[in-house]
Amino acid sequence: EVQLVETGGGLTRPGGSLRLSCAGSGFTVSRNYMNWVRQAPGKGLEWVSVLYSGGSKYYAESVKGRFTISRDTSRKILYLQMDNLRVEDTAIYYCARSRDKNDFWTFDRWGQGTLVTVSS
Amino acid sequence: QSVLTQSPSVSGAPGQRVTISCTGSSSNIGAGYDVNWYQQLPGTAPRLLIYGTTDRPSDVPDRFSGSKSGASASLAITGLQVEDEGDYYCQSYDRSLSAVLFGGGTRLTVL
Repeated sequence: EVQLVETGGGLTRPGGSLRLSCAGSGFTVSRNYMNWVRQAPGKGLEWVSVLYSGGSKYYAESVKGRFTISRDTSRKILYLQMDNLRVEDTAIYYCARSRDKNDFWTFDRWGQGTLVTVSS
Repeated sequence: QSVLTQSPSVSGAPGQRVTISCTGSSSNIGAGYDVNWYQQLPGTAPRLLIYGTTDRPSDVPDRFSGSKSGASASLAITGLQVEDEGDYYCQSYDRSLSAVLFGGGTRLTVL
């Protein structure tokens, strides 16, 4: 069974850093396109970043230069390093798998999410 | 304000049919990019409901269907059930922004 489990959320101050992890099971993380999607409290979904199986990385304009997506192939874990955090980054962060390479924006599996709160 | 526009809310009685619309532009839906729909029930993660504009994952009942015309897409739900209450999001890709887009979401209430 395919599963995604996010960890690493918590409370931090503006300007701080957090690293989120997403452990995948039942499939090979490194052979899939993997994404981070966030949802601010009471708001809609916002795509954050994608890591292609070949290693290319892309980011939403709102996080470019502050967030870094990466993976540990041997441990089957996807990461999101978040630096210089802002209050507006407060959200539930979901890890999501792309269905295939041709329509990589189709997310067929989602984790349960981890809450990041940025507040002074 | 989202690039993909959805009505904030829709409602219907059990057993009825409702449609949820998603309006984009010539750089996303109108450019031929497929549309996906996600269902988010209260307190849960999103779930893929429709992909490739019209296809359903094997675990999604055929009460849910998708369509597209020009730069707009629609999700239809027939035989409404109380457990369908939640938020529904459309999604596509925008070539001008080089970004994955979600609509603002539509809250479905089953009366």
